[in-house]
Amino acid sequence: DAKTTQPPSMDCAEGRAANLPCNHSTISGNEYVYWYRQIHSQGPQYIIHGLKNNETNEMASLIITEDRKSSTLILPHATLRDTAVYYCIVRVGPIKAAGNKLTFGGGTRVLVKP
Amino acid sequence: EAGVTQSPTHLIKTRGQQATLRCSPISGHTSVYWYQQALGLGLQFLLWYDEGEERNRGNFPPRFSGRQFPNYSSELNVNALELEDSALYLCASIIGDIQYFGAGTRLSVL
Repeated sequence: DAKTTQPPSMDCAEGRAANLPCNHSTISGNEYVYWYRQIHSQGPQYIIHGLKNNETNEMASLIITEDRKSSTLILPHATLRDTAVYYCIVRVGPIKAAGNKLTFGGGTRVLVKP
Repeated sequence: EAGVTQSPTHLIKTRGQQATLRCSPISGHTSVYWYQQALGLGLQFLLWYDEGEERNRGNFPPRFSGRQFPNYSSELNVNALELEDSALYLCASIIGDIQYFGAGTRLSVL
C-alpha cells in the first residue's frame, strides 16, 4: 500500500470548513484513498473513499487531485464533535478480495475550537 | 441495524492470565478483523477471519489466537498475558470496501 503523509495536527473554528490534506505521491492506479477518523477511545469511523473522482456524502467531501498524488478531506461545517484523529489510507480495494487489512499511519489530530 | 458489538468494554487481568474478547459483526457480514491499538500507537493488524476460517495473521506471537463461530461472531484469546498487551482491541466487520469498527475492549494487564 502507498505511504501517506499528513500534518500531525491542526485547529479549526467551530462552524467553519476544515480542510485536511494528505499526500500520497506513490499511489498506483488501482489504489483508493480512504478516510477514517477516531474519536478519543472509540473505534475508528469510516468517513469516505474515492479512486479518482471527487466524492461527497453526508459527512464530508473528498477532493483528489488530477494526478492523484494528493487529496483533501473537507468537513464543511466543523462541530465540536468532529474533534478526532483523522486517518488517510491508500490501498487496493475492495479490502476483502485483496485479503488485507487497513494500515493506519499517524493521522492528523484535529481540534475544533468554539 | 446494530453495528459491530464488542464485549466486555473493559477487562482487567494480571500477568500470566488469559483474556477472552468477543465480537459480533454487523448482521450479514461474514468477515471479522481484529486489531490492537496500544496507547499512542496506530492500529496493528492481528487476525482476519472469514467464513469461519483464519485467512490472515499479523506479526503477533502464537499466544494471540482466535476463532470464528458459525454465526460469524468471533473470539480473540490472549494467553500468558504480558504487561505490554495492555491496549484497546478493536474488531471490525466488512462489507464491500468498508470496514466498520466496534467500540473496542480496553484490556489492562497489571
